[in-house]
Order: sequence, then C-alpha cells, then structure tokens
Amino acid sequence: SQTIHQWPATLVQPVGSPLSLECTVEGTSNPNLYWYRQAAGRGLQLLFYSVGIGQISSEVPQNLSASRPQDRQFILSSKKLLLSDSGFYLCAWSAHRANYGYTFGSGTRLTVV
Amino acid sequence: QKEVEQNSGPLSVPEGAIASLNCTYSDRVSQSFFWYRQYSGKSPELIMSIYSNGDKEDGRFTAQLNKASQYVSLLIRDSQPSDSATYLCAVNERGGNKLTFGTGTQLKVEL
Repeated sequence: SQTIHQWPATLVQPVGSPLSLECTVEGTSNPNLYWYRQAAGRGLQLLFYSVGIGQISSEVPQNLSASRPQDRQFILSSKKLLLSDSGFYLCAWSAHRANYGYTFGSGTRLTVV
Repeated sequence: QKEVEQNSGPLSVPEGAIASLNCTYSDRVSQSFFWYRQYSGKSPELIMSIYSNGDKEDGRFTAQLNKASQYVSLLIRDSQPSDSATYLCAVNERGGNKLTFGTGTQLKVEL
C-alpha cells in the first residue's frame, strides 16, 4: 500500500531563517506531488505541484520554492521566512491526472516568530 | 468567481439526524468529485469519490452528483459527534493534474 511521510510535524522558526520541509511517498512510482498551505481558518492554497523529477509548477508567486530531486521526494524551501509564511503545510500525492483524488500527509505546522 | 463553492457554516445538526452538505462547481466538463473530512489541526482525509450522476453510498455516507445542475452533495446519516469536522469538496476539472477545493463547510453534531 502507498504511504506518504511528511516531517517535521511542528516547527517554530524566526523571521529571516531558512526552511526545508520534506515529503516522501512509498509504494508507488511516478506520483504527482503537491504542496499546499492552509492558513488558520482558511482554505487550501496550492503552492507547487510536480508531475515528475525536476518538473515543478508554481501556482502562487512568493518567497518559497520546491524541488523534486527523486521520484518520490518533494521538498519545500525558503531562503528567508516571513511572518506571513506561518501556516499548516500539507504535502499530497496522486496518481496520474489525479482521477482518484489526493492522499495527504500529516502536515507540518509552521510558526514564524 | 470561485470555481468550487461551499457554504462555510457552521452547520449544526443534532445527533442522529441527517447532515446535508452541498457544493457547486463552475466547470461543466469536470469529471471527478471528492469529499474530504478534516478534523481541527489534522490533514484532510478522503471519504468519498463520485464520477457519474446519481448516488453513491458508503456506510453512513452518500454522495450525490448532478452534472446538469453542477452540484455535488454529501449526506451523513445518523450523525455522530465524531462527524464534527470541516468537509471539503474537491473537483478534478477536465481530468487534469490538480484538484480544485472549496473552502469547506464546518459541521457540528450536537448531543
């Protein structure tokens, strides 16, 4: 069966510090991978998605970036965090064309102080 | 214009009642429809998917799809306090690689 791992679960970082969140998927090959952010009491905002190694689509311009160095690994990064980067970050995977929906990881709650 | 719309709620129902959650979408050629449940502080969990017009039942949950009217609904029978959560509607438009999510409806099941 397929599983998705996301870490860390919680993170408190000072403004201006770097960020690296990692997500890995097991039990499938060539998944679509996604990074979402959910601000407190708000909906899901798609940040990046990837349909293959090295292929990244950015949905919202911001100071975040994403990379997919391996087939089942997706990384979200920032060189300098802003207060507005606080939120609940969710990684998700889907089969090709998302016809069967997404499976989400457990999320990372990021607080920028 | 929002592509997937849901009433934010909260929708309050008494324990044992039927909860009805609704969602409308704008893209007529949307092909796949999903309901996610998200407990406070947790990640969304897929609970129902539906692809063709009509009803699909799974335990206490029934998803209903009407493509002509562009709405999808979720019925929860015999609502329990453990059903209290935010329910997200998601649509796969045109069979693409992304789902479009509504902002969710908060459901509260009261004792």
